[in-house]
Amino acid sequence: AQTVTQSQPEMSVQEAETVTLSCTYDTSESNYYLFWYKQPPSRQMILVIRQEAYKQQNATENRFSVNFQKAAKSFSLKISDSQLGDTAMYFCAFTSGGGADGLTFGKGTHLIIQP
Amino acid sequence: DGGITQSPKYLFRKEGQNVTLSCEQNLNHDAMYWYRQDPGQGLRLIYYSQIVNDFQKGDIAEGYSVSREKKESFPLTVTSAQKNPTAFYLCASSRQGVKRDTQYFGPGTRLTVL
Repeated sequence: AQTVTQSQPEMSVQEAETVTLSCTYDTSESNYYLFWYKQPPSRQMILVIRQEAYKQQNATENRFSVNFQKAAKSFSLKISDSQLGDTAMYFCAFTSGGGADGLTFGKGTHLIIQP
Repeated sequence: DGGITQSPKYLFRKEGQNVTLSCEQNLNHDAMYWYRQDPGQGLRLIYYSQIVNDFQKGDIAEGYSVSREKKESFPLTVTSAQKNPTAFYLCASSRQGVKRDTQYFGPGTRLTVL
């Protein structure tokens, strides 16, 4: 069974700073997909970024980028120029490429952006 | 607008009652999923369905049931056998294909047992 671990329950940074959220996972599969989802106070789950394991290049979406280290099974999220609207729970999630099952989530990191 | 709707937003249930949570999508997605979220926890998979009239148990299916009679609908019934049903329930959908597609989520239903 796959597991996803987020070791930082809560983080707080000042607006405009850069912050990195950590995620590690455990799997024996070689083909899989990793995601970061954001859950603001509205509780709507919003996709932030997606990484396919077979791609060596790290995914980037505007101010959001990942550091994907396949050998270390690490998938961290970097948020540059943080904004007040980035305040939310952030969840790391995993799914295998071969099956048709759902996502395995970490327990989340509560990110607070201070003005 | 295309999206996923869940109803009701808040639901209260007395002990011993079955309740059904609605999930509808107009994204023409083949796959649909139900997750449960408890405070301080990530989401856990209850059931999922890849095609109409077929569904599979997830990690925490005990005390829940689903149906998939239409492509756009995937209702979840929380039965009286579910010992601790108070939680936030999220429905998701995705396309199916060669590559694992992204799951998109509905706004959720908050279920409280009185």
